[in-house]
Amino acid sequence: AQSVTQLGSHVSVSEGALVLLRCNYSSSVPPYLFWYVQYPNQGLQLLLKYTSAATLVKGINGFEAEFKKSETSFHLTKPSAHMSDAAEYFCAVSSQNEKLTFGTGTRLTIIP
Amino acid sequence: DGGITQSPKYLFRKEGQNVTLSCEQNLNHDAMYWYRQDPGQGLRLIYYSQIVNDFQKGDIAEGYSVSREKKESFPLTVTSAQKNPTAFYLCASSSSTGASPLHFGNGTRLTVT
Repeated sequence: AQSVTQLGSHVSVSEGALVLLRCNYSSSVPPYLFWYVQYPNQGLQLLLKYTSAATLVKGINGFEAEFKKSETSFHLTKPSAHMSDAAEYFCAVSSQNEKLTFGTGTRLTIIP
Repeated sequence: DGGITQSPKYLFRKEGQNVTLSCEQNLNHDAMYWYRQDPGQGLRLIYYSQIVNDFQKGDIAEGYSVSREKKESFPLTVTSAQKNPTAFYLCASSSSTGASPLHFGNGTRLTVT
């Protein structure tokens, strides 16, 4: 069985500050890990994915995430927040034989 | 442009009526999925299909039905047996491997009164 925990259902950061959204996973086999972003009343859009290549993954819109096996984490970061980053972010895990499992999401608010 | 089209974007129904949500993809993906999204609960899998004429129940299939007669289409019917149908419904597709990300439609918001 696999699962995802996103710490913090709401995160607020000032414009220009570091964005850090936390994700921890549980998986009995090597995982595939994903971050998605959702803007209001829209579907989810892939930000980045980890599929056993480089542990530091760069995505769209300046986001990146680092896979840390020892900590079972896949935290999402962006050095400098922009107002357009305000959205809901979902971490998800799958494996070769498992469907995708989503976390409950983190709503990011950017303070001007 | 390749993508997933969900229609309609907003849907209103009276309690006791069945309603069908449309999902069409032109990405040539084998797998298609239906998710339900409620505030604070993330996405929950309703049904999925990995090939034409075959589908499996997800975590919350009760009160829903699907069909997969064509590779491009995966309609979802919300039946009167679904006790709390008001929600945001998302359709997605992917290549069949676990490493492949999902591509999502823009959702249908269903309100049942």
